[in-house]
Amino acid sequence: AQSVTQLDSHVSVSEGTPVLLRCNYSSSYSPSLFWYVQHPNKGLQLLLKYTSAATLVKGINGFEAEFKKSETSFHLTKPSAHMSDAAEYFCVVTVYNQEGKLIFGQGTELSVKP
Amino acid sequence: SQTIHQWPATLVQPVGSPLSLECTVEGTSNPNLYWYRQAAGRGLQLLFYSVGIGQISSEVPQNLSASRPQDRQFILSSKKLLLSDSGFYLCAWGRQGLEQYFGPGTRLTVT
Repeated sequence: AQSVTQLDSHVSVSEGTPVLLRCNYSSSYSPSLFWYVQHPNKGLQLLLKYTSAATLVKGINGFEAEFKKSETSFHLTKPSAHMSDAAEYFCVVTVYNQEGKLIFGQGTELSVKP
Repeated sequence: SQTIHQWPATLVQPVGSPLSLECTVEGTSNPNLYWYRQAAGRGLQLLFYSVGIGQISSEVPQNLSASRPQDRQFILSSKKLLLSDSGFYLCAWGRQGLEQYFGPGTRLTVT
């Protein structure tokens, strides 16, 4: 079985400072991992994905995440926050299955202060 | 490139009225299709998924139903809405073990 835990429900940073959103996963098989972003009243947008290739994954808008199997973590980082980064972020895990179902974390709300 | 559409964007319906939300995908064939609901408090709940035309799996017993009349069309319905059906409904498409791509969502308010 798979599960995912986002360790912070809310993170607040100042504009221009680094962002760290933490995610731990559990999986019986080799997982695929994703980060999605959701702005208010919008659909979810894929930020980046890990599918057993390079462990350091670069995504859109300057975000990146590192897959650490020994720590079962997939934390999302960005060197410098921008006001437009304020949104909800979801860490997601899945394994190969016909249904293609995803397991979502509960989300982390990122606030960016000017 | 692939595109996913949902309509309507917003909907206000009285309790007891019917519901029909539509989702269509362009630029791909034989996708898996999904309906999610997101209640206030932001968690996503998978409602239905489909791996092919006419094949619907329900994740949660409820007042809703889904249908897939065509390969790239997914419909969410209800015969009689409840207050608890209010929420943000998201359609998505994807493939086995890979990422899903989400539509813009429908905000449903049941009054």
